[in-house]
Amino acid sequence: GAGVSQSPSNKVTEKGKDVELRCDPISGHTALYWYRQSLGQGLEFLIYFQGNSAPDKSGLPSDRFSAERTGGSVSTLTIQRTQQEDSAVYLCASSSRQTVETQYFGPGTRLLVL
Amino acid sequence: RKEVEQDPGPFNVPEGATVAFNCTYSNSASQSFFWYRQDCRKEPKLLMSVYSSGNEDGRFTAQLNRASQYISLLIRDSKLSDSATYLCVVTRAGNNRKLIWGLGTSLAVNP
Repeated sequence: GAGVSQSPSNKVTEKGKDVELRCDPISGHTALYWYRQSLGQGLEFLIYFQGNSAPDKSGLPSDRFSAERTGGSVSTLTIQRTQQEDSAVYLCASSSRQTVETQYFGPGTRLLVL
Repeated sequence: RKEVEQDPGPFNVPEGATVAFNCTYSNSASQSFFWYRQDCRKEPKLLMSVYSSGNEDGRFTAQLNRASQYISLLIRDSKLSDSATYLCVVTRAGNNRKLIWGLGTSLAVNP
């Protein structure tokens, strides 16, 4: 069956530009997570959506980062006025309500800010 | 102190060796525990859950010690394909059940 998909797979942008990253979770999964991973580093939690509950935004590093999830499915992570330190792989994961801890990851979006 | 801590390694072992990783967690109210595996430049994938009584999946054995707040992963008869980063994951108590990720332990199995 279809897994988690993300687009674009790679994004190169100039410092100061805005970028939008998209995540399509597995159909029926109520939980959706955004993480980022810098080269050689661990996963950094960004934001967590669970059903209709208010999202947990505690991991967003600055107010330049925002995310929304429309209709409980597709999610978009937006980074405004990108900085070079935003360069990383942005990973999206989803999980079902019954097994929240089993996260299925997308392939990630590799973002490079020049 | 990080909520989940792992020795980053790298662990370099020959094929056929037995290798063990530990992971410590600081929140005694943590509820669930997992090992994920991440190959180079790939996304993490669930390797196995860790149950209180310990559990085994083929060459892999996971154990939980709540009193000392650590979990372990034992890999027997290492294969070249076991080379990866192994991520320790813990859930917080409460309805949120957000996962807390360790930074991972790197394993290289050499021929």
